[in-house]
Amino acid sequence: AQRVTQPEKLLSVFKGAPVELKCNYSYSGSPELFWYVQYSRQRLQLLLRHISRESIKGFTADLNKGETSFHLKKPFAQEEDSAMYYCALSAGGYQKVTFGTGTKLQVIP
Amino acid sequence: DTEVTQTPKHLVMGMTNKKSLKCEQHMGHRAMYWYKQKAKKPPELMFVYSYEKLSINESVPSRFSPECPNSSLLNLHLHALQPEDSALYLCASSQPGQGTYEQYFGPGTRLTVT
Repeated sequence: AQRVTQPEKLLSVFKGAPVELKCNYSYSGSPELFWYVQYSRQRLQLLLRHISRESIKGFTADLNKGETSFHLKKPFAQEEDSAMYYCALSAGGYQKVTFGTGTKLQVIP
Repeated sequence: DTEVTQTPKHLVMGMTNKKSLKCEQHMGHRAMYWYKQKAKKPPELMFVYSYEKLSINESVPSRFSPECPNSSLLNLHLHALQPEDSALYLCASSQPGQGTYEQYFGPGTRLTVT
């Protein structure tokens, strides 16, 4: 069975401070990991995926297979980053995606 | 057109009603999904259609009946729902196959069962 854990329900940081949203997963094979974001009154959308190794809106995430983690990081938080962030896992070649419980990021001006 | 559209935006129905939710995309995606999202919870997968065939049913009660009439449309037929079925119902689409394909989500239909 696949599982995604996001330990923080709420993360509050000041504008300009570094951000790290934690994500740990449980899966015996080689999963594919994603971060989805939901801004207020907007639809859920993909932020980034581990396979593309890209930086989106200043966010990066590295897959650490040894620690089974896929933490989302940004060096300097902006107010517009305030949103709900979901870590997600897809495994076994299926379209089935398992979402973590989500972390609400609040950036304080 | 890179959007997934869902209608209606809001729906209130009684436990004896029959209603349908509609989802549409014109991105050429051949995989479509229904998710249920309760307040302050993550989306939970209900159904997956791949090339218009049902490929995943996450043990959803039979009062929810999905239908994929063509590659652009996905319906969810509702009958004899319970108040605990009140939730935001999300539709998504992607290319089928490997999980690296991004899922595009619709805005959802907020369902209230009275």
